[in-house]
Amino acid sequence: QQQVKQSPQSLIVQKGGISIINCAYENTAFDYFPWYQQFPGKGPALLIAIRPDVSEKKEGRFTISFNKSAKQFSLHIMDSQPGDSATYFCAASMAGTASKLTFGTGTRLQVTL
Amino acid sequence: NAGVMQNPRHLVRRRGQEARLRCSPMKGHSHVYWYRQLPEEGLKFMVYLQKENIIDESGMPKERFSAEFPKEGPSILRIQQVVRGDSAAYFCASQILADNEQFFGPGTRLTVL
Repeated sequence: QQQVKQSPQSLIVQKGGISIINCAYENTAFDYFPWYQQFPGKGPALLIAIRPDVSEKKEGRFTISFNKSAKQFSLHIMDSQPGDSATYFCAASMAGTASKLTFGTGTRLQVTL
Repeated sequence: NAGVMQNPRHLVRRRGQEARLRCSPMKGHSHVYWYRQLPEEGLKFMVYLQKENIIDESGMPKERFSAEFPKEGPSILRIQQVVRGDSAAYFCASQILADNEQFFGPGTRLTVL
């Protein structure tokens, strides 16, 4: 199975709060796990990515937590801001020439004042 | 440095017409991917090309769809005899080498009347 399952479908968080989005995968051959941010009418932009040799990666307010045994990974957005309101997609791919991305179905995040 | 460019940004076709979508990768990138995004869904892989070669077309519908990435010029995704179900946003992404970050263009939004 090549699926990547993402939840929740939508999320409302107050400004300053923590946004958490979860993804689960089935294919153990996946070894690259990026998160993309997409604003309406725009293409996805890479936010942060992780490989399975580490369990956590942090870049500014964004952190990926990775659990290889559970085949799950999550995105945490600390101190969420209204400008973070967007759709977030997790994805996965395999090494080598077959590095096509398999995307989750997306989470629409709204950060309220 | 120009990013990935796609044109047209919006394309309207009547059923039975042909749609041609163009993608100019970032400078120095020789790997191109095409993805399709249906409304309220994640992106789905269609095809992966390198210059003059189709590497993986496992996500392309068997009929009416074709893609090319010539030695000179942009990559083209061609949809013949469009149907309403082809209405979607089509994104291309480019990559300098396999296993590296994919950079997405702004997409072409195809509407079939």
